[in-house]
Amino acid sequence: QVQLVQSGAEVKKPGASVKVSCKASGYTLNSYAMHWVRQAPGQRLEWMGWINAGRGYTKYSQKFQDRVTITRDTSASTVYMELTSLRSEDTAVYYCVRPFASSWEYLQHWGQGTLVIVSS
Amino acid sequence: SSELTQDPAVSVALGHTVTITCQGDALKSSLPSWYQQKPGQAPTLVIYAKNSRPSGIPDRFSGSISGNAASLTITGAQAEDEADYYCNSRDSSGNLVVFGGGTTLTVL
Repeated sequence: QVQLVQSGAEVKKPGASVKVSCKASGYTLNSYAMHWVRQAPGQRLEWMGWINAGRGYTKYSQKFQDRVTITRDTSASTVYMELTSLRSEDTAVYYCVRPFASSWEYLQHWGQGTLVIVSS
Repeated sequence: SSELTQDPAVSVALGHTVTITCQGDALKSSLPSWYQQKPGQAPTLVIYAKNSRPSGIPDRFSGSISGNAASLTITGAQAEDEADYYCNSRDSSGNLVVFGGGTTLTVL
C-alpha cells in the first residue's frame, strides 16, 4: 500500500531554512506527482506547490514562489521541500501528498505531517 | 480570482442531511475535490472529480457542481462526520491548486 513517511519535527530560528523529506513506498515515485500542503495551528490548509516526480518540473503557489523549492531523488524514492527565510508565520504542520491514481490534483495519500516551529 | 470561498461553520442534527458549499471562479473550469479533517489528523479525500468517492468512503457523501459553486452533501449525518471540510480545485490557470477556507461541521 502507498505510504509516505516524513522527517521529524524541526525547530528553527527566524531567517533560517528547513528541508523536510517525504519517503514514498508502495509505488514508483516517478509515476506520480507529489504536492506539499501546510497548515498553521488552527488555520486552513494551504497549498504550497507540486513536483512532477518523473520529469522533475515544479509549480509553486505565488505566495511561496520566492522561498520554496521542491526536489526529488528517485533513487531514494524521496521528495524534499525546502523553505527559506523562515518567519514565525511559517510555524505549521507540513504535509506531502500524493494524488489519486489518474489525476494530479486529487490529493489522496497524505504523509503524517512534519511540525516546523519557527521561534527565536 | 482563484480563491475558493466556504462558509466557516455549519451544523446538522444527527441523521439529517447537510450541504457544505464552495464558491469560486476556478470551479467553472476545474472539477473539485473535498477533504475531511478531524482534530490532530491529516485530511482524508472524501470526494474527487465532482462526485466520485475513493474506496472506503461511505456513500452518504456525495458531491455536485453548478456554475461556480460546488457542494458536498452528507445524507444522514453521523456523529463521526463532525470535522472540518475543505474543497479544492485547480486554479484558473490550471497549473496550480487552491483550497477553500474550510467549513467546520457540527453534528448536534
